[in-house]
Amino acid sequence: DAKTTQPTSMDCAEGRAANLPCNHSTISGNEYVYWYRQIHSQGPQYIIHGLKNNETNEMASLIITEDRKSSTLILPHATLRDTAVYYCIVRAAPNAGGTSYGKLTFGQGTILTVHP
Amino acid sequence: NAGVTQTPKFQVLKTGQSMTLQCAQDMNHEYMSWYRQDPGMGLRLIHYSVGAGITDQGEVPNGYNVSRSTTEDFPLRLLSAAPSQTSVYFCASNSRAYSGTSGTDTQYFGPGTRLTVL
Repeated sequence: DAKTTQPTSMDCAEGRAANLPCNHSTISGNEYVYWYRQIHSQGPQYIIHGLKNNETNEMASLIITEDRKSSTLILPHATLRDTAVYYCIVRAAPNAGGTSYGKLTFGQGTILTVHP
Repeated sequence: NAGVTQTPKFQVLKTGQSMTLQCAQDMNHEYMSWYRQDPGMGLRLIHYSVGAGITDQGEVPNGYNVSRSTTEDFPLRLLSAAPSQTSVYFCASNSRAYSGTSGTDTQYFGPGTRLTVL
């Protein structure tokens, strides 16, 4: 699975949009970009994933550049409860087969702190 | 659905003791995994299973054993605990089913077991 690079920490004011960047310059054509977050002491929580098109769900939006070498997770109206470590993970699609299925490779992630 | 449950929540062991961390899921997921998380670090994969009777090693398997006799349960055994195994352990499960090329195979994580080995 491709390696990702994220800033160590970011701050955001409550109510503003939080934009979390991720570089994945070695991503392969069959690899997806996944975002998980981990609120203090809890298990990681899935946020969103995408292949090449921008994606949006009830939690966030994911913007992937045309060359797929980087992406941005957007929390449109950050709240104090969004304070967490955010992990950007690149992995092969489930139908790619092989032993990568089911495994997530976590890096250090970005510590997002939302301020009142 | 309870999702992924783990027991115990906290455990203190002495060096050399053995114990089993329990993990269960009620979502009929084929895939289950064990991760450990050391302070200030991301999660690292210990072992995983793609179905009952099938397990494989992850990044850091040494000192741990697993088995998968049922779809629901995936226990992690520490045969002889060492201080280096002090960590938070997370179990996860996900379904093999996916919609075409959507890549939808969200992993669901349990609340974790905090283990201290003295």
